[in-house]
Amino acid sequence: DQQVKQNSPSLSVQEGRISILNCDYTNSMFDYFLWYKKYPAEGPTFLISISSIKDKNEDGRFTVFLNKSAKHLSLHIVPSQPGDSAVYFCAVRGGGNKLTFGTGTQLKVEL
Amino acid sequence: GAGVSQSPSNKVTEKGKDVELRCDPISGHTALYWYRQSLGQGLEFLIYFQGNSAPDKSGLPSDRFSAERTGGSVSTLTIQRTQQEDSAVYLCASSLYTSGAAYEQYFGPGTRLTVT
Repeated sequence: DQQVKQNSPSLSVQEGRISILNCDYTNSMFDYFLWYKKYPAEGPTFLISISSIKDKNEDGRFTVFLNKSAKHLSLHIVPSQPGDSAVYFCAVRGGGNKLTFGTGTQLKVEL
Repeated sequence: GAGVSQSPSNKVTEKGKDVELRCDPISGHTALYWYRQSLGQGLEFLIYFQGNSAPDKSGLPSDRFSAERTGGSVSTLTIQRTQQEDSAVYLCASSLYTSGAAYEQYFGPGTRLTVT
């Protein structure tokens, strides 16, 4: 029973275009949402987060959107750069401080 | 400053042997977490330590898995009588923590465990 789903295992985008990564969750009690980026042979790196009391948070080229009614989270990267190529995990927090992660989306930004 | 470190980076062991994985969190971080990532899967929560509180062990998959955190700093994850399904990357993370506040978790590079 997956509480956090990333339905697209991979995404390919041209350099300069927008990358949109999606995440769906099942529990409306989750109160904090995060995105992590992971390069091969490295641990995940925190990217951006959003509290359940907000619907948008922006940090440079990265924007996270939260649609609580749809239980949907998305990450927009614009403009996309080749260095953004990595696996992106969404994560949710609910009950304590442990995170529940999605299965990840492999983003490839092509020249 | 130094990030989260883990050792060993790679471990190959025979089925039935015990293994110990080590995590050194970021200095001053009171919370420490263990996760694992099996091939093609997301990160799976294992156990969480916060200060002097009893650890949250709700993610440990069986009683072959245990972890301790000595002196509120270094943590060791022990897997007894390893099985092939234990093969995964074991990730440690640490964070600051205060009640009611959410702090980002910082991950180490992981230990790749292969059980043959």
